Amino acid sequence: KAGVTQTPRYLIKTRGQQVTLSCSPISGHRSVSWYQQTPGQGLQFLFEYFSETQRNKGNFPGRFSGRQFSNSRSEMNVSTLELGDSALYLCASSKGPSSYEQYFGPGTRLTVT
Amino acid sequence: DQQVKQNSPSLSVQEGRISILNCDYTNSMFDYFLWYKKYPAEGPTFLISISSIKDKNEDGRFTVFLNKSAKHLSLHIVPSQPGDSAVYFCAASDPGGGADGLTFGKGTHLIIQP
Repeated sequence: KAGVTQTPRYLIKTRGQQVTLSCSPISGHRSVSWYQQTPGQGLQFLFEYFSETQRNKGNFPGRFSGRQFSNSRSEMNVSTLELGDSALYLCASSKGPSSYEQYFGPGTRLTVT
Repeated sequence: DQQVKQNSPSLSVQEGRISILNCDYTNSMFDYFLWYKKYPAEGPTFLISISSIKDKNEDGRFTVFLNKSAKHLSLHIVPSQPGDSAVYFCAASDPGGGADGLTFGKGTHLIIQP
């Protein structure tokens, strides 16, 4: 069974731009979550989608948004990029919204200059 | 306020010996605990988990111990192998599961020396 895939793997943007990251979950998984990983803060929850609906959102500004499509694929968008948005963005999928185990993709390394 | 703490940023262990990674938590409501392993340029991989109703769970070379009274869990790897060199994240979950209920530690970099 193919794992979680994320595109692109690496991205360089400048301040003020916006970016869209994509995630395809494991086949059969209907929940997709997004995390931000930085050296100082570790892994922080951004939001979770299930059945095309955002279930929960972490403590991030409104510049961070996402959506989920009917095939469970998800996109994450960050607008008006700031230097502090440089991080590894991880997508994880699970069978459902109450699953404990999250299966992670390889991540997208975003660098904002 | 870190609810899940991994106090050792790195740990060096000789190949063949036991690796013990530690994790402390503060929220007594956590009812499920997980360990993830992460190689460079890859996402974290689920390794092993334990429910709060147990105090030990074993899977091959990996054993997780939970001490609820001390709010402490540990991951034992025996024997340690070179491929075990990675960053290990401890995570704790609120009751009911879900990604939003997961809190991660900042990770411990395990280095297995030949």
